[in-house]
Amino acid sequence: GQQVMQIPQYQHVQEGEDFTTYCNSSTTLSNIQWYKQRPGGHPVFLIQLVKSGEVKKQKRLTFQFGEAKKNSSLHITATQTTDVGTYFCAVSGVNDYKLSFGAGTTVTVRA
Amino acid sequence: DGGITQSPKYLFRKEGQNVTLSCEQNLNHDAMYWYRQDPGQGLRLIYYSQIVNDFQKGDIAEGYSVSREKKESFPLTVTSAQKNPTAFYLCASSTLAGNYNEQFFGPGTRLTVL
Repeated sequence: GQQVMQIPQYQHVQEGEDFTTYCNSSTTLSNIQWYKQRPGGHPVFLIQLVKSGEVKKQKRLTFQFGEAKKNSSLHITATQTTDVGTYFCAVSGVNDYKLSFGAGTTVTVRA
Repeated sequence: DGGITQSPKYLFRKEGQNVTLSCEQNLNHDAMYWYRQDPGQGLRLIYYSQIVNDFQKGDIAEGYSVSREKKESFPLTVTSAQKNPTAFYLCASSTLAGNYNEQFFGPGTRLTVL
């Protein structure tokens, strides 16, 4: 399947600060999805991006799809303890319903 | 209550034994998937299926087998041929309507082979 690289692998954030995690591909993507997995839990779908340059917001979370559709970012403002977990990006090929997941960014928050 | 169920949550087996993990969904989804998750790694696709009685190998199918006799069920058997079976196993499902569909995950089964 398609390969995506996520950076950083770990993100330690002071409560109240902002941070960004990135998902990069060497090939053009048809779409990208983001999931969150809380410690001890299972991945939960957050959002899907399809259009070049698309930006979507969910409260303090901002998702962006690059103009070339080769990268995506997730930006969290004013980090809270509820943001703890691992954030995965996942991609699929054109007319292909299966997903390839990145290795994830694991976020910890210092109170 | 709609969703995906996996049982058991924790499973212990002796080396050399086959073990079957169950996955059931009542979301009326056509597609179902099995993933393996190891510490610090992402999800790796083992098998997937888009219709009853049909399934395809994912990226790491060796040592695993599946069946899809019913739309609601997609059990995974971890065979003795799997060299390193201890892992967290996640089942997921999705619709096939349209090209891009979110996947819904079950709570997972944590398998430990002693």
